[in-house]
Amino acid sequence: KAGVTQTPRYLIKTRGQQVTLSCSPISGHRSVSWYQQTPGQGLQFLFEYFSETQRNKGNFPGRFSGRQFSNSRSEMNVSTLELGDSALYLCASSLQGAWANEQFFGPGTRLTVL
Amino acid sequence: QQQVKQSPQSLIVQKGGISIINCAYENTAFDYFPWYQQFPGKGPALLIAIRPDVSEKKEGRFTISFNKSAKQFSLHIMDSQPGDSATYFCAASISNNNDMRFGAGTRLTVKP
Repeated sequence: KAGVTQTPRYLIKTRGQQVTLSCSPISGHRSVSWYQQTPGQGLQFLFEYFSETQRNKGNFPGRFSGRQFSNSRSEMNVSTLELGDSALYLCASSLQGAWANEQFFGPGTRLTVL
Repeated sequence: QQQVKQSPQSLIVQKGGISIINCAYENTAFDYFPWYQQFPGKGPALLIAIRPDVSEKKEGRFTISFNKSAKQFSLHIMDSQPGDSATYFCAASISNNNDMRFGAGTRLTVKP
């Protein structure tokens, strides 16, 4: 079974630009969560999508948004990029039901904002 | 936002030794406690997880010990190997809520 895939793996952008990251979950998984990982703040929850609806949201500004498609693939968008947005962005997929908490992470997208 | 405190920040263990990483949580509503292993350039990989209805769970060389009254849980890696050298994260969440709170991570180095 293929794991979680994320594209692109690396991105370099400049301040003020916007970026879109993509995540394909494990086949059959309907929940996709996004996390930001930085050396200073660690792993922080951004939001979760389930059946094309945002189900949970972390404490990030509105510049961070996402969506999920009918095939469970998800995209994350960051507008008006700031230097502090440089991070590894990870998505994780999970099943619904009793084991919905088991999250499987992709390799991440390394975003560098110059 | 951090509700899970992890220690130590780094750990050096000799091959064959026992590695112990500790975590403490604040929110008593948490009922799912996983440990993740992350190698450089990779995403975190689920290692082992526990729910508060048991005090210990073992999978191979990895054991989670859970103390509900103290709101603490720990990872024990028996017979540590150089291939175990990685960063380990504890985490906690509430059932059916994938807003998972992570510890700050422990960088483990196993010396041959």
